[in-house]
Amino acid sequence: AQSVAQPEDQVNVAEGNPLTVKCTYSVSGNPYLFWYVQYPNRGLQFLLKYITGDNLVKGSYGFEAEFNKSQTSFHLKKPSALVSDSALYFCAVRDMWSSNTGKLIFGQGTTLQVKP
Amino acid sequence: DADVTQTPRNRITKTGKRIMLECSQTKGHDRMYWYRQDPGLGLRLIYYSFDVKDINKGEISDGYSVSRQAQAKFSLSLESAIPNQTALYFCATSVVSGTFQETQYFGPGTRLLVL
Repeated sequence: AQSVAQPEDQVNVAEGNPLTVKCTYSVSGNPYLFWYVQYPNRGLQFLLKYITGDNLVKGSYGFEAEFNKSQTSFHLKKPSALVSDSALYFCAVRDMWSSNTGKLIFGQGTTLQVKP
Repeated sequence: DADVTQTPRNRITKTGKRIMLECSQTKGHDRMYWYRQDPGLGLRLIYYSFDVKDINKGEISDGYSVSRQAQAKFSLSLESAIPNQTALYFCATSVVSGTFQETQYFGPGTRLLVL
């Protein structure tokens, strides 16, 4: 069965410091991985995705994520955090066998708090 | 995303009442989804539809029903609301382009409280 784990409920970072939000996954077959961000009282916004190709994926707002097949991870990163990055972040996965169904499996979410 | 709208944005109802949450999209996408979000559980899929004549159950469809009135409209109904259906509900749309190229785009959510 597909699953996604975000091991940290909350990540605290000082503004200007690099940030990492962790995600690990379990699928049968090749994974298709996504990151979404949810700002307060807003819907989920798509940040980036990994389908195939380069392991380092660049997305919106300066975020990037690194796909690591051996560690089954897809951690979200940003070199220099902004206070405005404070939000709830979701990792999601779909495997090649469910690609036709479009079903996404979401992690439980990680709250990122960036302090001035 | 302003291309996916949900109404109402907030709703308070009583146990046993029937309510409907509506979703409209101007993206022209064929695929539409309903999720619920609960703290600590992420998003879970309730129903999904690949076109007007295609409706499929997700992982937590019990107590819910849907209607795909048109390509642009996908409604979620709670036949007899119960307190554990209190949650944040999201509609999403997507279109498949190329092999496995599909990204889901979400509406702003409907916050539902069942008393």
